[in-house]
Amino acid sequence: AQSVAQPEDQVNVAEGNPLTVKCTYSVSGNPYLFWYVQYPNRGLQFLLKYITGDNLVKGSYGFEAEFNKSQTSFHLKKPSALVSDSALYFCAVRDHTGSYQLTFGKGTKLSVIP
Amino acid sequence: GAGVSQSPSNKVTEKGKDVELRCDPISGHTALYWYRQSLGQGLEFLIYFQGNSAPDKSGLPSDRFSAERTGGSVSTLTIQRTQQEDSAVYLCASSLGAQGGDTQYFGPGTRLTVL
Repeated sequence: AQSVAQPEDQVNVAEGNPLTVKCTYSVSGNPYLFWYVQYPNRGLQFLLKYITGDNLVKGSYGFEAEFNKSQTSFHLKKPSALVSDSALYFCAVRDHTGSYQLTFGKGTKLSVIP
Repeated sequence: GAGVSQSPSNKVTEKGKDVELRCDPISGHTALYWYRQSLGQGLEFLIYFQGNSAPDKSGLPSDRFSAERTGGSVSTLTIQRTQQEDSAVYLCASSLGAQGGDTQYFGPGTRLTVL
């Protein structure tokens, strides 16, 4: 069975500082990995995904994520945080066996402090 | 283009009543998914439709839950005899296909409150 862990319920970062939201996964074989962001009272908005190829994936709004196979991690990063980045972030995984179901982490609340 | 839309945005109902939640996927997307988001439970897969294939209902929590997709487009999630534990945000998503790397795009959700 596939699973995702987001070890931090909340991350606080000062505006302008780099941010990292952590994600580790467990899946049979190679994974497909996704990051979504959810603003209050809104649905999930796709940020970026890793399918294959370069381990560093760039996505929307200046976010990027690095796939690390040996550590089974896919941490979300941004060089300089904005107050408007404050939201709930979800990591999700799918395996290569043909399963279409996304398995999500519990989410990490990011607060960017002015 | 238009994204995934859901209606109603909010639904308050009394315990024991039936409710219907609607999802309009992105035009041309063949795959449609329903998820449930509740406090402390994260996002929970409910059901999946792909084209004309039989849906995968493996995530439905009880036989009070059912869903259909008419004409390969609009989907309706029905909850019969609602219970307080059904209170949650119900999210619909669609994707172009059902390949592993296909991105699921989510609607804004329907917040269901069962009194």
